[in-house]
Amino acid sequence: DAKTTQPPSMDCAEGRAANLPCNHSTISGNEYVYWYRQIHSQGPQYIIHGLKNNETNEMASLIITEDRKSSTLILPHATLRDTAVYYCIVRGTTDSWGKLQFGAGTQVVVTP
Amino acid sequence: KAGVTQTPRYLIKTRGQQVTLSCSPISGHRSVSWYQQTPGQGLQFLFEYFSETQRNKGNFPGRFSGRQFSNSRSEMNVSTLELGDSALYLCASSLVQGADLNTEAFFGQGTRLTVV
Repeated sequence: DAKTTQPPSMDCAEGRAANLPCNHSTISGNEYVYWYRQIHSQGPQYIIHGLKNNETNEMASLIITEDRKSSTLILPHATLRDTAVYYCIVRGTTDSWGKLQFGAGTQVVVTP
Repeated sequence: KAGVTQTPRYLIKTRGQQVTLSCSPISGHRSVSWYQQTPGQGLQFLFEYFSETQRNKGNFPGRFSGRQFSNSRSEMNVSTLELGDSALYLCASSLVQGADLNTEAFFGQGTRLTVV
């Protein structure tokens, strides 16, 4: 069973912030939250990850709730090139990457 | 620095043939994982290699095999191809495996295999 729950799809207007939610209510203390995205027929692209503190990089921000049961990926100014499937993944520090379950992700469509 | 390189990008094979796909990880990365992605099944884990040893294996038949070389490059082989093997095959590399802590995996662009 997948460890995360994401909405199947969402739309976002170009130039606006896109807020992508993810529920991971069974997350344990040593598990990180990772976000990847996959543009059609390309390999998944790493976006960001975090443990309990909020994280920001040049692509996005990751907000993790205090109880760590959910998180939100924020794309501050969505562009048409951000149209992709976004995957939220939970990974323990000793988990091999092969054991990850990507789930169905959220299909984000950015419209002009 | 160069990313994960997969070759070839596209491949068309006939049922019953065999195929070999190649993956060159990011320099310094010693862990390589392979995935199969189809529209109906999503990303499915095939196997994971670290230091030339297979560390984990997914639930695929024995027709799917792989190996890793001393330079961390990896190959996967599919024998006796079936129509259902048509998929995007993805390779991901990471710095270490297992007891690593706070790192990420980077994916290649994949090899699109079509079996006819």
